[in-house]
Amino acid sequence: EPEVTQTPSHQVTQMGQEVILRCVPISNHLYFYWYRQILGQKVEFLVSFYNNEISEKSEIFDDQFSVERPDGSNFTLKIRSTKLEDSAMYFCASSARTIRADEQFFGPGTRLTVL
Amino acid sequence: AQKVTQAQTEISVVEKEDVTLDCVYETRDTTYYLFWYKQPPSGELVFLIRRNSFDEQNEISGRYSWNFQKSTSSFNFTITASQVVDSAVYFCALSEARSSGDKLTFGTGTRLAVRP
Repeated sequence: EPEVTQTPSHQVTQMGQEVILRCVPISNHLYFYWYRQILGQKVEFLVSFYNNEISEKSEIFDDQFSVERPDGSNFTLKIRSTKLEDSAMYFCASSARTIRADEQFFGPGTRLTVL
Repeated sequence: AQKVTQAQTEISVVEKEDVTLDCVYETRDTTYYLFWYKQPPSGELVFLIRRNSFDEQNEISGRYSWNFQKSTSSFNFTITASQVVDSAVYFCALSEARSSGDKLTFGTGTRLAVRP
């Protein structure tokens, strides 16, 4: 069964460093998303992406964040200068969006630890 | 603004008991979509159900059932004859039609522990 994959599973970085989280969405999906979950808290929407453009972003997704689809298979989230409060599990999701608000398939997540 | 409330933080039941997880939502849209996701201890998010605001029929899938009531803005989830494998955090989520990017707004989750 097709699935969303994410690498790395765990990333440790120093405050102020740049990180890139990688995702490979399901191959025929065209809609991509990033969410984050701070430990023990709810899942929060960051951004949605379609046709090489951001469709929607939350207030969390400030100038420190960017997304890119560098090739036909990868979808990345970059944090330019990490802060301690960026420590969280980051989930990538993709959707075929054959219907409005179609099911989003989530990857296993990347745990980001900022020291 | 949209909001999802899951008032039950943790529930503990003994295997084979029935359990209902509550979800109350707020939205100004007349068209919206409701979801339930399961997050087992391994951490991934597993889709369980999607329901649009025009479909108030209750749904049953095996031991799982969902009760959608627009009058009370609730979308409750019942597990019948619970099993240890049902132990997980369950999230209710909402997507509004006005959302250009199908943004999901999640509740804070209910942690379900099923004891043998």
